[in-house]
Amino acid sequence: EIVMTQSPATLSVSPGERATLSCRASQSVNSNLAWYQQKPGQAPRLLIYGASTRATGIPARFSGSGSGTEFTLTISSLQSEDFAVYYCQQYNNWYTFGQGTKLEIK
Amino acid sequence: EVQLVESGGVLVQPGGSLRLSCAASGFTLSSYWMHWVRQAPGKGLVWVSRINSGGSSTDYADSVRGRFTISRDNAKNTLNLQMNSLRAEDTAVYYCSRGGGYSISSLDYWGQGTLVTVSS
Repeated sequence: EIVMTQSPATLSVSPGERATLSCRASQSVNSNLAWYQQKPGQAPRLLIYGASTRATGIPARFSGSGSGTEFTLTISSLQSEDFAVYYCQQYNNWYTFGQGTKLEIK
Repeated sequence: EVQLVESGGVLVQPGGSLRLSCAASGFTLSSYWMHWVRQAPGKGLVWVSRINSGGSSTDYADSVRGRFTISRDNAKNTLNLQMNSLRAEDTAVYYCSRGGGYSISSLDYWGQGTLVTVSS
């Protein structure tokens, strides 16, 4: 099984600042990597697929990069609605999720 | 508008059975792989099962293989998950989600989830 490791577990950032979230795969997943946002009591929402392609309706402040085993989600200027838990997921070899990064207001 | 609405989650005793359903609308169900993903209280997301667009191919996580069965009725726009021999560790919110038109794809739409609690 491919293990996905996200860092940090919690990230404290002020509104308007930039947030950078990391995700590492235990073996190459090519570009078959997605990012999801989940708010309390809500279902996950797809943000990024193919490591760098924004899903429908996702604002341009969200960007993804990386390939192979190292990936990054960047939120360029945090809005109040962006504070949530973020999960990466590989779908190259079955499906596994990272443990999540909680993005909180500083 | 794509909508996925799960139902069937209840409190069930260990060893019991349960059938979850997911009603799909706003898209042609028969064109997509479909998945179940679960989330234990306060925990992360775990993939459970998938079924291909025509229903002829199914796959399961090791933790549920042999106990859970995924199925679909494209004519009725419904996805199902039959859950047998339930254990306390199956307690979770179960989400149905839409994959792509082929096996390697992200999950682009999710239902609101249905809570399954396994406890005596």
